[in-house]
Amino acid sequence: DTAVSQTPKYLVTQMGNDKSIKCEQNLGHDTMYWYKQDSKKFLKIMFSYNNKELIINETVPNRFSPKSPDKAHLNLHINSLELGDSAVYFCASSPGLQQFFGPGTRLTVL
Amino acid sequence: TQLLEQSPQFLSIQEGENLTVYCNSSSVFSSLQWYRQEPGEGPVLLVTVVTGGEVKKLKRLTFQFGDARKDSSLHITAAQPGDTGLYLCAGLRNQGGKLIFGQGTELSVKP
Repeated sequence: DTAVSQTPKYLVTQMGNDKSIKCEQNLGHDTMYWYKQDSKKFLKIMFSYNNKELIINETVPNRFSPKSPDKAHLNLHINSLELGDSAVYFCASSPGLQQFFGPGTRLTVL
Repeated sequence: TQLLEQSPQFLSIQEGENLTVYCNSSSVFSSLQWYRQEPGEGPVLLVTVVTGGEVKKLKRLTFQFGDARKDSSLHITAAQPGDTGLYLCAGLRNQGGKLIFGQGTELSVKP
């Protein structure tokens, strides 16, 4: 009964490549998020979608493009990967105050 | 500029000890949440505090929201090894429902 799932769990790739991370939630929530957690465990919001519409877009390089095909899915595509993109990326969904996080995707850029 | 200052960043204690984690800001938040994150997993919500001065208890964990809604604390009584993990405070500003996280406190409780 996975609530928020992400694939893949681990992603190792070379600089300059393009990669995608997928996220799905079966909780029926309208709002979904992408967060980045750096090596110091600091968690920062990147994007938020409400019912497939972008509502929060932090100062993230435009190499990062979220896509929401429906309100249960929010995917993250990253172009021209850089070393500094290495981090753990978390997807989350929310009905209101509480956020439900996925298990994270550890991205390593070599 | 870090909006939410969390301290301490690291805490290593023996089983049975008490501890307090602090989350401070110069900004007012409409609500404040505490999450716990275990290695390889996403954060899981422990509590949400909404009213200034509010105190909530969850077994051996006591959460307090400051009167001015700018700070919060988490107190753990008689810590156990199962309490080990990363504790994150997160404040919700009024606009846009954006959660702002503190830097986290890595707690290690040794048997």
